[in-house]
Amino acid sequence: NAGVMQNPRHLVRRRGQEARLRCSPMKGHSHVYWYRQLPEEGLKFMVYLQKENIIDESGMPKERFSAEFPKEGPSILRIQQVVRGDSAAYFCASSPPSGQFGTQYFGPGTRLTVL
Amino acid sequence: ILNVEQSPQSLHVQEGDSTNFTCSFPSSNFYALHWYRWETAKSPEALFVMTLNGDEKKKGRISATLNTKEGYSYLYIKGSQPEDSATYLCAWNGGSQGNLIFGKGTKLSVKP
Repeated sequence: NAGVMQNPRHLVRRRGQEARLRCSPMKGHSHVYWYRQLPEEGLKFMVYLQKENIIDESGMPKERFSAEFPKEGPSILRIQQVVRGDSAAYFCASSPPSGQFGTQYFGPGTRLTVL
Repeated sequence: ILNVEQSPQSLHVQEGDSTNFTCSFPSSNFYALHWYRWETAKSPEALFVMTLNGDEKKKGRISATLNTKEGYSYLYIKGSQPEDSATYLCAWNGGSQGNLIFGKGTKLSVKP
């Protein structure tokens, strides 16, 4: 059973460009979570999605950031008009249908660098 | 502000030493406490999920305890080995759906 997959692993963007980060959950998992790790900080929750639904986006910046988890395909975290402060490691986690309070299985992360 | 605190921030021990670290979390609205092991350039690896006051979990030489009334959890490593070197994260779930609040971790280095 493959783990949580994230791509790309490294992404470089210039200020003003768009960044699209992909996350494929573990097989059978229908809950996806995105976290961000800023330099010298811990992991911070951004958004929790189930298939075609955003359940909790309380950690998402109000502007430029959006997330989706379509019926088919990976979850996408989209950052429009990136700024230097968006440089961070973005981690995706997934869990099975039974347990938003159970174990979240993490991917290896995407490291975004904004020039 | 809901904070999860971990101490110490870093720890250096010799191979064979036993060690422990602390995670402090809000004692209200408790749902679950998670421990993860995170090696550099890898994914955080789930160690334990603990839900009940007084829970004790064990996985090989690693064990954890939970006190939800006073808001702390301890992680113990018995007979540390160099391969135990990693950052150990705890995360608190206070019932806000899937929202985990992470501490900054304890970075463990085990010298051979």
